[in-house]
Amino acid sequence: GENVEQHPSTLSVQEGDSAVIKCTYSDSASNYFPWYKQELGKRPQLIIDIRSNVGEKKDQRIAVTLNKTAKHFSLHITETQPEDSAVYFCAAQTGANNLFFGTGTRLTVIP
Amino acid sequence: DVKVTQSSRYLVKRTGEKVFLECVQDMDHENMFWYRQDPGLGLRLIYFSYDVKMKEKGDIPEGYSVSREKKERFSLILESASTNQTSMYLCASNGGKFSYNEQFFGPGTRLTVL
Repeated sequence: GENVEQHPSTLSVQEGDSAVIKCTYSDSASNYFPWYKQELGKRPQLIIDIRSNVGEKKDQRIAVTLNKTAKHFSLHITETQPEDSAVYFCAAQTGANNLFFGTGTRLTVIP
Repeated sequence: DVKVTQSSRYLVKRTGEKVFLECVQDMDHENMFWYRQDPGLGLRLIYFSYDVKMKEKGDIPEGYSVSREKKERFSLILESASTNQTSMYLCASNGGKFSYNEQFFGPGTRLTVL
């Protein structure tokens, strides 16, 4: 099955700086890559996703890039704010509708 | 607004007990999922279902079973609870078979097995 690795496991940045979280996947058939944000004590929620026919997608301060050849994708958050503090999960899907999640990155934005 | 609810937020059970975790969604979604979330391990899929009375094993099905008798309800069953099943359990749902649709999660059930 698919194997998704996520780095780093923890990340601390100063407010206003950028944060980058990286994921790699093993199955070249994976074609959908969502990112979920989980705030403390809350449920995971989708923040952005990308499909394999697109190299980059942006939504305000967040962007995701995908390199299919290298089998890695990244989440970029610019101008970080304290409310960006959360655990972020990347995931990959191979078309059968079930997601394989990374192990999560705990992002702390220091005011 | 999609709503996924789970029967309990916190549950404490004894080793060997049979445990039922219930999940209900109100958006007529075809697909429902059960995950467990453990620190440092992310979300791992236990079972999922594409349709009523249909189930598929995920990555870690051992020690669990599921039931989907109605479209809106997906139950996770621990036949004989063990301490290594102490975890946060998350249910999720989305619509469309073989689609790339957002999964909507429930609030989670934190299960402690003593």
